[in-house]
Amino acid sequence: DAGVIQSPRHEVTEMGQEVTLRCKPISGHNSLFWYRQTMMRGLELLIYFNNNVPIDDSGMPEDRFSAKMPNASFSTLKIQPSEPRDSAVYFCASRPTDSGANVLTFGAGSRLTVL
Amino acid sequence: AQSVTQLDSQVPVFEEAPVELRCNYSSSVSVYLFWYVQYPNQGLQLLLKYLSGSTLVKGINGFEAEFNKSQTSFHLRKPSVHISDTAEYFCAVSSTNTDKLIFGTGTRLQVFP
Repeated sequence: DAGVIQSPRHEVTEMGQEVTLRCKPISGHNSLFWYRQTMMRGLELLIYFNNNVPIDDSGMPEDRFSAKMPNASFSTLKIQPSEPRDSAVYFCASRPTDSGANVLTFGAGSRLTVL
Repeated sequence: AQSVTQLDSQVPVFEEAPVELRCNYSSSVSVYLFWYVQYPNQGLQLLLKYLSGSTLVKGINGFEAEFNKSQTSFHLRKPSVHISDTAEYFCAVSSTNTDKLIFGTGTRLQVFP
């Protein structure tokens, strides 16, 4: 089991550029979560999917952020256009939908720096 | 809605000393409670969880936590810490009828030799 795989691990980009973060959940895990971690706000839930369907995106900060899950093994979080305040570590996590409790397995994160 | 408060942003402690990291939660419904640990430049790992049953929960690396419903607390304890326990610790809560896991702001445990 390779765990939750995120790419890229580090991304440095300039303001205004499009950023795409990728996540491969653990095989058999039907729920996928995107979190953002910053010093100021800690860990924030951005959006989560059950069986590839977005269930709650109330944490997505603005229209510049979008997330998709085209199939059970892949999800993307896109920021367009990016701004310096988007600099953060973005985590993807997954769990089986019928696990009965929110025991998440996290990826190693994608550290985004927007200059 | 649920919320979590971790009262201490940093806890310095000497090696082999006991430690307690405090966590209080707020919820109008039944909850599940969790502690996660984050080592530098890594994702979060589950330390322990309370779902139901015994209020004293034992986790990995010698940590344990006690669920106290009347005080809405879920404090994390370890009787003797090691240098390798230096990390960020997050308390988290979810209600029993939702998929959303809400995290506290974290407590940085720094263990000194």
